[in-house]
Amino acid sequence: DAGVTQSPTHLIKTRGQQVTLRCSPKSGHDTVSWYQQALGQGPQFIFQYYEEEERQRGNFPDRFSGHQFPNYSSELNVNALLLGDSALYLCASSLGLMAGETQYFGPGTRLLVL
Amino acid sequence: AQSVTQLGSHVSVSEGALVLLRCNYSSSVPPYLFWYVQYPNQGLQLLLKYTSAATLVKGINGFEAEFKKSETSFHLTKPSAHMSDAAEYFCAVGPNAGNMLTFGGGTRLMVKP
Repeated sequence: DAGVTQSPTHLIKTRGQQVTLRCSPKSGHDTVSWYQQALGQGPQFIFQYYEEEERQRGNFPDRFSGHQFPNYSSELNVNALLLGDSALYLCASSLGLMAGETQYFGPGTRLLVL
Repeated sequence: AQSVTQLGSHVSVSEGALVLLRCNYSSSVPPYLFWYVQYPNQGLQLLLKYTSAATLVKGINGFEAEFKKSETSFHLTKPSAHMSDAAEYFCAVGPNAGNMLTFGGGTRLMVKP
């Protein structure tokens, strides 16, 4: 049973560039959430996708956008990168949007912005 | 709005000693509560979760947590620490509508031989 997978594992970009991160959910899951984990901090919720629509969004600017495909995989796009966007980006998948439903996390993509 | 506070960013115990990691939450309604563990350069792994079925929740690797509504706490314990328990531990709270998580700042557990 394949778990949550993310690509790439590491990425280096410069300020002002754009980046796309990818996530494939755990088999059987249809909901994908994205989190940003800065060094030494807990993950912060960015947004959540279900049925190819953004359902919930955390306190992140519009530079952060996403997409969900018919096969439930998802992309996170960040435009006009800032140094402060350097972080571990975690994707989590779950079955539906029900409260209390467990989220399963991938290994993350570590983004460094120079 | 929900929030989570983890007291102690670093906790050090000796191998075989009791592990106690503290978590307090703020929520206007009965919450869903989770403990996740993160090993170096890895994602988060679920240890256990509270969904109101029982106040004492048993998880993987010998960990358990007790939900105390009067203290708004959900502390994580393990009777005897192993070297392999050294990792970062995160407490998280989920709403009663939707399942986005709000995480605490994490506690790094160090286990001394």
